[in-house]
Amino acid sequence: EIVLTQSPGTLSLSPGERATLSCRASQSVSSSYLAWYQQKPGQAPRLLIYGASSRATGIPDRFSGSGSGTDFTLTISRLEPEDFAVYYCQQYGSSSSWTFGQGTKVEIK
Amino acid sequence: QVQLQESGPGLVKPSETLSLTCTVSGGSISSYYWSWIRQPPGKGLEWIGYIYYSGSTNYNPSLKSRVTISVDTSKNQFSLKLSSVTAADTAVYYCARGAAAARWGQGTLVTVSS
Repeated sequence: EIVLTQSPGTLSLSPGERATLSCRASQSVSSSYLAWYQQKPGQAPRLLIYGASSRATGIPDRFSGSGSGTDFTLTISRLEPEDFAVYYCQQYGSSSSWTFGQGTKVEIK
Repeated sequence: QVQLQESGPGLVKPSETLSLTCTVSGGSISSYYWSWIRQPPGKGLEWIGYIYYSGSTNYNPSLKSRVTISVDTSKNQFSLKLSSVTAADTAVYYCARGAAAARWGQGTLVTVSS
C-alpha cells in the first residue's frame, strides 16, 4: 500500500498570500495518478486537481498542481477567503489500493 | 448533472453489519469507478473500496476481510456492506464517482453503538 504523507499539518497564512502544500508518497505513483481535494466543514470533498496537474471543471486557475514520482505539490497562488479549508491528496494509480494523505489545514493567520 | 445519494441506517449495533446504498441519478452507472470513502468525526478521509461498473472490485487491505461492494445496474445503485462493526467504524460515509472523484454524495453519518 502506498502511504501519502502531507506537510505541513497546518499552514497559517493571510489572504493574498501564496500557499504551497506537499504530498510525498512512500513509492512512485504510477502515471501521476494523484489528485487533490478541498474540504470545508460539513461538506463533501471537492476535486481540485487530477493527474497531478490537471484542474477539474470549474476550478479557478489560482490552484495548480505539480510533481511526479513520489513528490507532489498543490499551490494556491493568492489565497482568497473561501480557500481556507482542509486539503487532501489521493493516489489512485496503485492496482492494489487507493489511499489518501492525512490532510493539510490552511487557516487564516 | 450526475447526483449521488447515500441511504441506510444511521445507527448500527456493535458486531452487526453496516449496509449502505448509493443511488445515482442524472447519469448511468454503467461506466466509471464507484467508490466508498469514510471520515471518522474530526479525522481524515479513508478510502474503503471501489467497484468498476463491470463488477470488478478493490478494497482497502485493512478492511478487506469485512467489506463487500456490489452494483445493481438495473437500479443505478451500488452498495456497501461492512461486517462485524465496532465503535471505530463510526464515521460519515460518502459514495463517489471516478478514480479522481469529481462527484460525491452529501455523506451519511453512521454511528456504531448499542
